[in-house]
Amino acid sequence: DAGVIQSPRHEVTEMGQEVTLRCKPISGHDYLFWYRQTMMRGLELLIYFNNNVPIDDSGMPEDRFSAKMPNASFSTLKIQPSEPRDSAVYFCASSATGGNQPQHFGDGTRLSIL
Amino acid sequence: SQKIEQNSEALNIQEGKTATLTCNYTNYSPAYLQWYRQDPGRGPVFLLLIRENEKEKRKERLKVTFDTTLKQSLFHITASQPADSATYLCAQGPSGGYQKVTFGTGTKLQVIP
Repeated sequence: DAGVIQSPRHEVTEMGQEVTLRCKPISGHDYLFWYRQTMMRGLELLIYFNNNVPIDDSGMPEDRFSAKMPNASFSTLKIQPSEPRDSAVYFCASSATGGNQPQHFGDGTRLSIL
Repeated sequence: SQKIEQNSEALNIQEGKTATLTCNYTNYSPAYLQWYRQDPGRGPVFLLLIRENEKEKRKERLKVTFDTTLKQSLFHITASQPADSATYLCAQGPSGGYQKVTFGTGTKLQVIP
C-alpha cells in the first residue's frame, strides 16, 4: 500500500520566490492535514481538510500561505512570497474518518529559503 | 489553550533496560492520547492510542499508561534495543476539531549498546 507521498523532498529557493508543496494522501482517507515542524516550535498544524473542504485554517501563519485540495488525491500548500523564516520541514498527513484515527504522515519537504 | 508537554531533554539508556517517556497535559482533558515515533528525515509513524477510560495499553514491547488524575501519560519500551533510538511524540485529541490533535515537541531517545 502506498503511503502519503510528498514532493519535492527538498526545496531551496531565494526569498520572495513562490514555493509550492505537493501531497498525495492515502486512497480512501477523508482527512488531510498540513503541518510545519521546527526545532523551536515542534509540529504545528497549519490547515486541515475533510472531503476536500478546508475545515480549519487557523494555523496558517499569514496570507502568504494558501492551501488547496482540488480532489481527493491531491493537495498543495503554497507560499508566496517566501521568507527566510518559512524555512522548516513541512509534512502532509491523512487519516480515515472516525474519532481518534491515527494520522499517516509523508516524509516531508525540507524547505530552505535563502 | 491546550498544552501538551514532553521532556525536551534527550533520554539515554543502556540496551536491555526499560525506557520511560513522559507526556503531561494542562488546561484540557483529552479524550485520547496517541504516541508516534519519528526517525531523522522521516515523518512520524503512529504507534499506540490510549483512551481516557483506559488505564493501560500494550503492544509487543510497548506500554502506554494514562493517568487522568496526574494529567499524564507514560510510554514504556521494555528490553530496549539500539533500533528503538528515535524521537517519540505524544499527541492529545480531539483538539478543537473532530480529527485534530495537538502534538508535543517530542523526546529523543538514544539506546546505547
